[in-house]
Amino acid sequence: AQSVTQLGSHVSVSEGALVLLRCNYSSSVPPYLFWYVQYPNQGLQLLLKYTTGATLVKGINGFEAEFKKSETSFHLTKPSAHMSDAAEYFCAVSDLYNFNKFYFGSGTKLNVKP
Amino acid sequence: DGGITQSPKYLFRKEGQNVTLSCEQNLNHDAMYWYRQDPGQGLRLIYYSQIVNDFQKGDIAEGYSVSREKKESFPLTVTSAQKNPTAFYLCATAWGLADTGELFFGEGSRLTVL
Repeated sequence: AQSVTQLGSHVSVSEGALVLLRCNYSSSVPPYLFWYVQYPNQGLQLLLKYTTGATLVKGINGFEAEFKKSETSFHLTKPSAHMSDAAEYFCAVSDLYNFNKFYFGSGTKLNVKP
Repeated sequence: DGGITQSPKYLFRKEGQNVTLSCEQNLNHDAMYWYRQDPGQGLRLIYYSQIVNDFQKGDIAEGYSVSREKKESFPLTVTSAQKNPTAFYLCATAWGLADTGELFFGEGSRLTVL
């Protein structure tokens, strides 16, 4: 089974500052990579995904992520944090042999300070 | 509206009782999933189904059971054999084997064992 590591269970930034949430995966050839966001007591919403092609992926709400094969990373960034970005973020990968099976990281809670 | 409906949103159970969580979708998706979420542990796969009348165990299937008699429905039963059932349960769907991934999530059901 694959594994996904999110460094930092809690990240705190000031409003307007850069957001960087880290994600590393265990396989050198991940089929697909995803970032999801979860607001309290709600389900997860897709922010962005990487399948093939351009390694820099743009998502909703100004987020983007870059797939770096050599580093087995898929870090999520946003140039300027907004208060509404405060939520929990999950990185996920699909299974190498079963594209319909997914593995999730343990999540990073983002706090945005005014 | 198209979407995934989970019910109930909140559920309390006494020890030794079985409970069933409902998940209904009208997205015409082939694949359906149940995840368990505990603080700091991310999402862990309980069961998934890629087609009607077929389902597979995930990483933490012990103490749970499912059925997939209709494409639209994938109920989860938490049995008395589940040692620590208090958690947030998420149902998700996906288009299926021909797709490039991406899960769609319901709003979740929070189960508390008293």
